[in-house]
Amino acid sequence: EVQLVESGGGLVQPGASLKLSCVASGFTFSDYWMSWVRQTPGKTMEWIGDIKYDGSYTNYAPSLKNRFTISRDNAKSTLYLQMSNVRSEDTATYYCTLTYYGYNSFDYWGQGVMVTVSS
Amino acid sequence: DVVLTQTPPTLSATIGQSVSISCRSSQSLLHSNGNTYLHWLLQRPGQSPQLLIYLVSRLESGVPNRFSGSGSGTDFTLKISGVEAEDLGVYYCVQGTHAPWTFGGGTKLELK
Repeated sequence: EVQLVESGGGLVQPGASLKLSCVASGFTFSDYWMSWVRQTPGKTMEWIGDIKYDGSYTNYAPSLKNRFTISRDNAKSTLYLQMSNVRSEDTATYYCTLTYYGYNSFDYWGQGVMVTVSS
Repeated sequence: DVVLTQTPPTLSATIGQSVSISCRSSQSLLHSNGNTYLHWLLQRPGQSPQLLIYLVSRLESGVPNRFSGSGSGTDFTLKISGVEAEDLGVYYCVQGTHAPWTFGGGTKLELK
C-alpha cells in the first residue's frame, strides 16, 4: 500500500525558512517522479513543482521557483521541500504526491502538513 | 498558464440523482504525443484529494463505474450517474499537458 507521510509544518514567521519532509513507502521510491502541491485556506490548489526519479531534474511553478527547492534522498525514500523567505500567502496545507502512472495526474497524496506564516 | 474553469461552483443533489461537472480550459489540452492530460480528483471532507479519473475518461482502480469522464480539446465533463452519500465533497479537474500544471477552482457537491 502506497503511503506518503509529510512532516515539518507549523507556525513560522515571515521571512523565515522551513523544510518539509515526506517519507514514502509501499512502492519503489527511486522509480517515480514526485511532486508537491499546496492548498490554501480558501481551498485553491496550486502545483509547486516536481522532481525526477533520480533527482537530476526539477520543475517549478514560475511564481515559486526562486524561493522553493525540491530535493529527494532515494536511500531514505524521502522527498523534501525547502521553503525560504516565506510570506503570509504561503500559508497552506502542503501535500506530497506520487505520479505513479506517468501522466502528471497526482495519483497518490499524503495526508498533508499545515504551514502557517504569521508574526 | 492554463486556466481551468469549473462549473458550477456548487452542486446540490439528492441521492440517486445524476449530475455533471464541467471543466473548460483556456487552451487545448491535447498534447503533441496524442494524449490529453486532463484528470479529475475528489476531496472528501477532512481528507486528502484522491484520483478518480485520469486521461479524460480512464477510471482509477477501485473507483465505481457510476463515475465517467468525457470531453476533448478544451471542454471536459465529469458525470456521476446516481449520486451516493460517499460522493459528497469537492471535485477538481487538473491538467498535466502544459507546464505549470494547474487545477480548476473546484465544484462542491452537497446534499439537497
